[in-house]
Amino acid sequence: EAGVTQSPTHLIKTRGQQVTLRCSPISGHTSVYWYQQALGLGLQFLLWYDEGEERNRGNFPPRFSGRQFPNYSSELNVNALELEDSALYLCASSRKNRGFILPGANVLTFGAGSRLTVL
Amino acid sequence: LAKTTQPISMDSYEGQEVNITCSHNNIATNDYITWYQQFPSQGPRFIIQGYKTKVTNEVASLFIPADRKSSTLSLPRVSLSDTAVYYCLVGEYSNYQLIWGAGTKLIIKP
Repeated sequence: EAGVTQSPTHLIKTRGQQVTLRCSPISGHTSVYWYQQALGLGLQFLLWYDEGEERNRGNFPPRFSGRQFPNYSSELNVNALELEDSALYLCASSRKNRGFILPGANVLTFGAGSRLTVL
Repeated sequence: LAKTTQPISMDSYEGQEVNITCSHNNIATNDYITWYQQFPSQGPRFIIQGYKTKVTNEVASLFIPADRKSSTLSLPRVSLSDTAVYYCLVGEYSNYQLIWGAGTKLIIKP
């Protein structure tokens, strides 16, 4: 079974540019989560999508946005990049438990991340 | 809203048992507790999950007391490869929030 795949693995941008990160969940997983992890720090929740709809959003400015497609893959867009956006962006997917979303009980499977460097 | 608190770092030696405790004082009745392991430049990986009492799998045990205000991840006979950051996670059923701890950096020495 293929794991969660993210692309690109590494990218370098300059301030003010825009970036799109992509995530393909495990087959059968309907939820996709996005996290930001600055170097040496913990996980900061960005967005949660399930079956094409945004279910929850973290405390980030509107220039962080995303979407989930009918095949459950997802994109994270960051506009007007700032230096502090440099981080590892992690995508995770999960399946429902017997058709239900049970926060925490639905195990998250993470991708290897996209390392964004903003100069 | 639950808040998870765990030690910033811990040291141990190969062959020892390591216990990492996470406090989650405001945990609700239906909330699950999960632990993840993360190596540098990788995504976190599921270790173990529990709801109450004790859960054991091939790599770890999870102890949850009756009041569920804390949980302890137990790693038996650690090796150098267990050096990683360990996160506890509380899934809040009431508002669909995932509350992550800040992570415990575990360093295993030879």
